[in-house]
Amino acid sequence: DTGVSQDPRHKITKRGQNVTFRCDPISEHNRLYWYRQTLGQGPEFLTYFQNEAQLEKSRLLSDRFSAERPKGSFSTLEIQRTEQGDSAMYLCASSLVLGATNEKLFFGSGTQLSVL
Amino acid sequence: QQPVQSPQAVILREGEDAVINCSSSKALYSVHWYRQKHGEAPVFLMILLKGGEQKGHDKISASFNEKKQQSSLYLTASQLSYSGTYFCGTENNFGNEKLTFGTGTRLTIIP
Repeated sequence: DTGVSQDPRHKITKRGQNVTFRCDPISEHNRLYWYRQTLGQGPEFLTYFQNEAQLEKSRLLSDRFSAERPKGSFSTLEIQRTEQGDSAMYLCASSLVLGATNEKLFFGSGTQLSVL
Repeated sequence: QQPVQSPQAVILREGEDAVINCSSSKALYSVHWYRQKHGEAPVFLMILLKGGEQKGHDKISASFNEKKQQSSLYLTASQLSYSGTYFCGTENNFGNEKLTFGTGTRLTIIP
């Protein structure tokens, strides 16, 4: 079990630049989630995929954010025209859902984004 | 709607007990508990489903009171390794598909 891996671990960018993060879930997991976490807060839901289909996107999510999961494997999260308020830890999580079950999430270590 | 956790922070001596509460203003279908150590990913502890159940492993257990729309996490005879921030994540309906996490409870265990 290699776990959920995220790349890069840290990203420093200037305001207005685009950034892209990658998440590799546990290989047999069919669900993939993106969360954002700021200091002292719990993870905030951004979006999630079931295989390659993006099933829900947070209403709080700006149009500058887009996520993909081609072929239902790895996922990318892109932020266009970054703003200082985008600075946060971006967490990816995956799970295996079989039928009507409540599944536990396996989180990656996150990508820490700093927008200067 | 984000669940509310209490207390926000607690400091214990090794061997003492702690209770962390998680409350929601909406009906709950399930409650998940996770622990996050500084600089690390959140790690799953347990899931409780509506119907009012209690679960536990080792010295960490939890209960789910459906009527009160709240869950409590119990840590008994705390160990240094229990230090971290505890988050509850809630599902309001079956098939809601995503967890809404609380703001967390920071637990510090001192020798």
